[in-house]
Amino acid sequence: DQQVKQNSPSLSVQEGRISILNCDYTNSMFDYFLWYKKYPAEGPTFLISISSIKDKNEDGRFTVFLNKSAKHLSLHIVPSQPGDSAVYFCAASEYAGGTSYGKLTFGQGTILTVHP
Amino acid sequence: EAGVTQSPTHLIKTRGQQATLRCSPISGHTSVYWYQQALGLGLQFLLWYDEGEERNRGNFPPRFSGRQFPNYSSELNVNALELEDSALYLCASSLSAPLHFGNGTRLTVT
Repeated sequence: DQQVKQNSPSLSVQEGRISILNCDYTNSMFDYFLWYKKYPAEGPTFLISISSIKDKNEDGRFTVFLNKSAKHLSLHIVPSQPGDSAVYFCAASEYAGGTSYGKLTFGQGTILTVHP
Repeated sequence: EAGVTQSPTHLIKTRGQQATLRCSPISGHTSVYWYQQALGLGLQFLLWYDEGEERNRGNFPPRFSGRQFPNYSSELNVNALELEDSALYLCASSLSAPLHFGNGTRLTVT
């Protein structure tokens, strides 16, 4: 039972254009969502997050949108740069008490390639 | 600030042996998480330790076990290794959110 899905295994965009990565989830108990970037032979690096009380969060070139009714989130990268080429994972978690959100459930990842 | 450190970077074992992987969290972080990334698959949750206690466990057999020490570092032990245990094992730490990951231990079982 895959609770977090990234249906596009790969995405190719031109430098300077917008990259849109999508993610769907099935567990309605998820209330915190994150995007990570991963280069080969390295661990995932946190990019941006959003809680379920918001529908948008921005950090520089990165914006995450959350549509709770559709159980869908997306990551927009504008403008895309060749250095953004990596595997992008979306992840979700439930509030676990105190200050903890507990374990993350990850999607399968989307390989983003940004061409110069 | 030093990040999450994992050792060893690579580990080669024979089927049936035991493997021990180590993780040092970011200073001040009390929670440690272990994930497995097998070839072609996403990150699968293994274990979560907080304040020395096991808080949650993923859908893995009991031969996957671990512990968290008083200094919050952690060990992952895999007994009776099988070929399909070959994977990248990632450790992450957090105080609340988000999780911060190390670069992993690449375990190869031959």
